[in-house]
Amino acid sequence: AQSVTQLGSHVSVSEGALVLLRCNYSSSVPPYLFWYVQYPNQGLQLLLKYTSAATLVKGINGFEAEFKKSETSFHLTKPSAHMSDAAEYFCAVRPFGNEKLTFGTGTRLTIIP
Amino acid sequence: DGGITQSPKYLFRKEGQNVTLSCEQNLNHDAMYWYRQDPGQGLRLIYYSQIVNDFQKGDIAEGYSVSREKKESFPLTVTSAQKNPTAFYLCASSSQGRLNTEAFFGQGTRLTVV
Repeated sequence: AQSVTQLGSHVSVSEGALVLLRCNYSSSVPPYLFWYVQYPNQGLQLLLKYTSAATLVKGINGFEAEFKKSETSFHLTKPSAHMSDAAEYFCAVRPFGNEKLTFGTGTRLTIIP
Repeated sequence: DGGITQSPKYLFRKEGQNVTLSCEQNLNHDAMYWYRQDPGQGLRLIYYSQIVNDFQKGDIAEGYSVSREKKESFPLTVTSAQKNPTAFYLCASSSQGRLNTEAFFGQGTRLTVV
């Protein structure tokens, strides 16, 4: 079964510092991969997605992620954190040819002024 | 505007009652999903549907039921068999194209058992 593991349920970074949120997937073949962001009491918004077109994916709000097949990873990064980045971030996986979309347990990002 | 509408935003249920959460989409998506969100547990898949009149159990389907009679609608019923129904419920939909694979989410329904 497809699954994703997000290392670190809480991450704190200083404003202006690098943001790194980790996601590893388990799959025998590369699946579709996604990063979503959630603000309190709201739905999820797509940040970026990997669909095998390119290993380095750029998303909204300055975020990007790199697909590394050898490491089965899809970590999310942003060079310089902003206060507005404080939210919960979810990594998700969907097998190719299947509609089952599975999420990780999430990482809450706190930005320190 | 296209999107997904969940209603109500807040719902209170007495123990032993069934309640139905509404989810409607006008994105012409084939696939629809229901997730339950609890603090520290991420989103757990309850049910999903890839086509009208067909749906599959997710990871935590016990105590829930769904129907998919129309492409636009995927209501979720939380039955009295669900022992701990208090949670935030999210509905989503997606197309089945190779490139447009992402799911779009509604704003959620917060269910509280009183």
